[in-house]
Amino acid sequence: GENVEQHPSTLSVQEGDSAVIKCTYSDSASNYFPWYKQELGKRPQLIIDIRSNVGEKKDQRIAVTLNKTAKHFSLHITETQPEDSAVYFCAASILGYGGSQGNLIFGKGTKLSVKP
Amino acid sequence: SQTIHQWPATLVQPVGSPLSLECTVEGTSNPNLYWYRQAAGRGLQLLFYSVGIGQISSEVPQNLSASRPQDRQFILSSKKLLLSDSGFYLCALIQAGRIFSGNTIYFGEGSWLTVV
Repeated sequence: GENVEQHPSTLSVQEGDSAVIKCTYSDSASNYFPWYKQELGKRPQLIIDIRSNVGEKKDQRIAVTLNKTAKHFSLHITETQPEDSAVYFCAASILGYGGSQGNLIFGKGTKLSVKP
Repeated sequence: SQTIHQWPATLVQPVGSPLSLECTVEGTSNPNLYWYRQAAGRGLQLLFYSVGIGQISSEVPQNLSASRPQDRQFILSSKKLLLSDSGFYLCALIQAGRIFSGNTIYFGEGSWLTVV
């Protein structure tokens, strides 16, 4: 089955700096890679996702890149703010035709701390 | 839009006692339903998933079980809790859809379980 590795487990940056979180996956059939942000005691919330037919996707200060050959994908947060502090999870899955959905397998998470 | 109701939100149970966490969904039909566990300081671990009524797949062997008596109801149970069962339990759904159509996973608000 799919295995997702996520690094680093903790990341501390100064406000305004960039933060990068990296994930690798094992199943070459995986084609859907979402990122979730989880604040303490709350449910994870989707912040951005990427499908295997694109190499990069941006949404304001957040971007995700995907390298299918190397089987890794990364989350980039620019101009970090204190409210970006949270745990971030990457995940991998297989989106099938006709509505079948593979299970989302999550990385172990990265605790991001943005210091003012 | 789909919503997930999960309860109880918090509970403290003694070792050896039974457990029942309930999850119901609205606004969708034939969803794939999931139970994840998040131990303190750790990532999201997939416990069970269900693609339909009475269909349960277990990802991790343990003393927990799951049932899906109705299309929009998913229950997590245990006959005898262990200390290691403590954690944050999340019910989730993935709405069936076509490939690259924006499928994603939606989480319930979570249930904090402390086994003492």
